[in-house]
Amino acid sequence: GAGVSQSPSNKVTEKGKDVELRCDPISGHTALYWYRQSLGQGLEFLIYFQGNSAPDKSGLPSDRFSAERTGGSVSTLTIQRTQQEDSAVYLCASRRDSANEKLFFGSGTQLSVL
Amino acid sequence: DAKTTQPTSMDCAEGRAANLPCNHSTISGNEYVYWYRQIHSQGPQYIIHGLKNNETNEMASLIITEDRKSSTLILPHATLRDTAVYYCIVRIRFVIMNSGNTPLVFGKGTRLSVIA
Repeated sequence: GAGVSQSPSNKVTEKGKDVELRCDPISGHTALYWYRQSLGQGLEFLIYFQGNSAPDKSGLPSDRFSAERTGGSVSTLTIQRTQQEDSAVYLCASRRDSANEKLFFGSGTQLSVL
Repeated sequence: DAKTTQPTSMDCAEGRAANLPCNHSTISGNEYVYWYRQIHSQGPQYIIHGLKNNETNEMASLIITEDRKSSTLILPHATLRDTAVYYCIVRIRFVIMNSGNTPLVFGKGTRLSVIA
């Protein structure tokens, strides 16, 4: 595709429910990142995938958060037993390869936990 | 990654140059300066990056001081569409082997308002 695509663009859920957020990176991009941004705050790194290497999960805030990347392309971020503090915009970014400096971001998924 | 310091907000008249400063006094020799911006309700957008030489592209110019402890992003003719939060980030260059595991760390940035 032309850019990084995220779905859904908005998600409203009830506290305690599980949610899945999807990211389609730019075709051929080997690196994929998840960030989240709470209202009025900067971006918080969550997890990073690079090719077939083990992901860097150091930014995940709790074990309720997990992510996978299938076939080196599409990624899914799963939040189990959502809490109100999980409400934020979840942003995905991809980068072409190790020889390229630019990150390309999607427009994000606005998650609201009621 | 080296810490950066940016003003919280700035105003700029439409058509004038917008000069956004960034202090990174603890930058190390192999760390680059990156600039991204985030327009309301969108994901961040890459603008420019540099090491020590001044850089220019179709979006902006980056001026890095000789001691590399500070830099300035210049939007030569600001338009209303340049209103955004601008992030200055310092980190080791991605292309260095095994550096990709360190993600870009975004601070609070500078909120630039371009005024008609």
